[in-house]
Amino acid sequence: KAGVTQTPRYLIKTRGQQVTLSCSPISGHRSVSWYQQTPGQGLQFLFEYFSETQRNKGNFPGRFSGRQFSNSRSEMNVSTLELGDSALYLCASSRSPGGGQETQYFGPGTRLLVL
Amino acid sequence: DQQVKQNSPSLSVQEGRISILNCDYTNSMFDYFLWYKKYPAEGPTFLISISSIKDKNEDGRFTVFLNKSAKHLSLHIVPSQPGDSAVYFCAASAVGTGNQFYFGTGTSLTVIP
Repeated sequence: KAGVTQTPRYLIKTRGQQVTLSCSPISGHRSVSWYQQTPGQGLQFLFEYFSETQRNKGNFPGRFSGRQFSNSRSEMNVSTLELGDSALYLCASSRSPGGGQETQYFGPGTRLLVL
Repeated sequence: DQQVKQNSPSLSVQEGRISILNCDYTNSMFDYFLWYKKYPAEGPTFLISISSIKDKNEDGRFTVFLNKSAKHLSLHIVPSQPGDSAVYFCAASAVGTGNQFYFGTGTSLTVIP
């Protein structure tokens, strides 16, 4: 069974630009969550999608948005990039939003550098 | 506001000895706690979890202990092996919040052969 895939793996953008990251969950998984990882901050929850609906949203500005398609693939978008958005963006999938009772599987992440 | 804290950024242990990784939390609504292991250039991998109704969960060399009154959990690895060298994250979720997990900042474990 293929794991969670994220594209692209690396990205360099400049301040003010916008970026779209993609996540393909494990086949059969319908819940997709996004996290931002920065040094010293650990992983911070961005949002979770299930059946094309956003279920939860973390404490991030409106420049961060996402969506999920009918095949469970998900995209996240960051508009008007700032230097502080440089981070590793991780996507995780699970069969359902079951909290700790559902194992989440993480992708390798997309490393975003904003110059 | 960091609701899950790992106060030790790094830990070094001799091969064969016990590794103890600690985690503290502040939110009494957390009902599930997990440990993830992360190697460089890879995403975190689920290791072990514990529900708030338990105080211990064991899986092979890995045991997680939960002390609800102290809002503290720990991961014990016995015996430690060089392949265990990685960054370990603890995470917690609250009742009714689906897969919204709060992660600590990680502890980098080095097991010395």
